[in-house]
Amino acid sequence: GAVVSQHPSWVICKSGTSVKIECRSLDFQATTMFWYRQFPKQSLMLMATSNEGSKATYEQGVEKDKFLINHASLTLSTLTVTSAHPEDSSFYICSARTGTGYEQYFGPGTRLTVT
Amino acid sequence: QKEVEQDPGPLSVPEGAIVSLNCTYSNSAFQYFMWYRQYSRKGPELLMYTYSSGNKEDGRFTAQVDKSSKYISLFIRDSQPSDSATYLCAMRGGWAAGNKLTFGGGTRVLVKP
Repeated sequence: GAVVSQHPSWVICKSGTSVKIECRSLDFQATTMFWYRQFPKQSLMLMATSNEGSKATYEQGVEKDKFLINHASLTLSTLTVTSAHPEDSSFYICSARTGTGYEQYFGPGTRLTVT
Repeated sequence: QKEVEQDPGPLSVPEGAIVSLNCTYSNSAFQYFMWYRQYSRKGPELLMYTYSSGNKEDGRFTAQVDKSSKYISLFIRDSQPSDSATYLCAMRGGWAAGNKLTFGGGTRVLVKP
């Protein structure tokens, strides 16, 4: 149980374009989802927290207009990187939490390369 | 000073040895403690989850929490080459503190056959 999927697992895009990454909880309802960014050999950096049906809460220093997060249902959250630039290249990981549990279950991650 | 400190390693052990990992933290409000395993280019996988001080065992894994010393540990018995990964500790406060997890930097573990 507690499986989280991400799509795509790997994406290459050109500078200036937008990319959408999907995060789904497959066997539970996720009232809260989280988006992280991870650079090589570094730990996870929380970008934002999203609750189903409400606006995401962004961490300090994360541009909300650049990283658009939508949590439209209890099983789906999306992260859209708008007008991507090479410095946005990174490993993006989502996680999900049930309404009652404290554990977070992570997706497999999406590797974004902006050329 | 970081809220959660974790030795980055790498920690190299022979197959069959006990792997000992630990984290220290400074925020006394942390109540829930987790250990994640992350293979290269994969998402973290939840290994152990503990609340408050004490020990918890699951198969080859034992998690310890000492809130008085602000110190948590993870022990892996009979280590296997497949245990080679980066291990992340994570912790959070109670419900009123919100949902945010605070992670350690991760310890890279190499189990040599």
